[in-house]
Amino acid sequence: DAKTTQPTSMDCAEGRAANLPCNHSTISGNEYVYWYRQIHSQGPQYIIHGLKNNETNEMASLIITEDRKSSTLILPHATLRDTAVYYCIVTLGGYQKVTFGTGTKLQVIP
Amino acid sequence: GAVVSQHPSWVICKSGTSVKIECRSLDFQATTMFWYRQFPKQSLMLMATSNEGSKATYEQGVEKDKFLINHASLTLSTLTVTSAHPEDSSFYICSASGTGASYESSQGRDIQYFGAGTRLSVL
Repeated sequence: DAKTTQPTSMDCAEGRAANLPCNHSTISGNEYVYWYRQIHSQGPQYIIHGLKNNETNEMASLIITEDRKSSTLILPHATLRDTAVYYCIVTLGGYQKVTFGTGTKLQVIP
Repeated sequence: GAVVSQHPSWVICKSGTSVKIECRSLDFQATTMFWYRQFPKQSLMLMATSNEGSKATYEQGVEKDKFLINHASLTLSTLTVTSAHPEDSSFYICSASGTGASYESSQGRDIQYFGAGTRLSVL
């Protein structure tokens, strides 16, 4: 799996958009970008994934740069329940083992 | 759909005893399951990958005789921590990927779905 780099922590005001960046400059052509989050003392939760096009679902949007070397996860209206550690992972797919980095600890502030 | 159930959620045991953790896919067929371990304030570390009906593949540094993994059916994998010691105290998490209508309808394919985790405390 390609290595990813994320900021250690970020704060976001409640109701505002949270933009979480991820660098993955060594990504290969057939690797996807996945985002998971882990709320304290729980198992990780899938958020979204994409290959090269921007993706949106009910939880978030994923913006992948044209050269695919970086991406941004956007939570459009952050709530206190979005406080968690967010992991950006690059992998060939769900059947493949993944390596979790240190992630970004997002703190949503009232 | 695509729910993974992990049991127990919390277990305390005496040093030297064995503990079994179950991971079940409730509404899909988990052809591949993964077991992770997470120490406080650290990230998840992959311990092993198991495919249904095959022996598990362990990551470097993980003792296969200590952490026994069985994936005998498409809906169940178990992790047994044998002769547990205090240093084995950790948060153990399973994940699964596979096939089936509920799995593919939940955001599509190629996603790992995680259990809620098991907190093991060895006294």
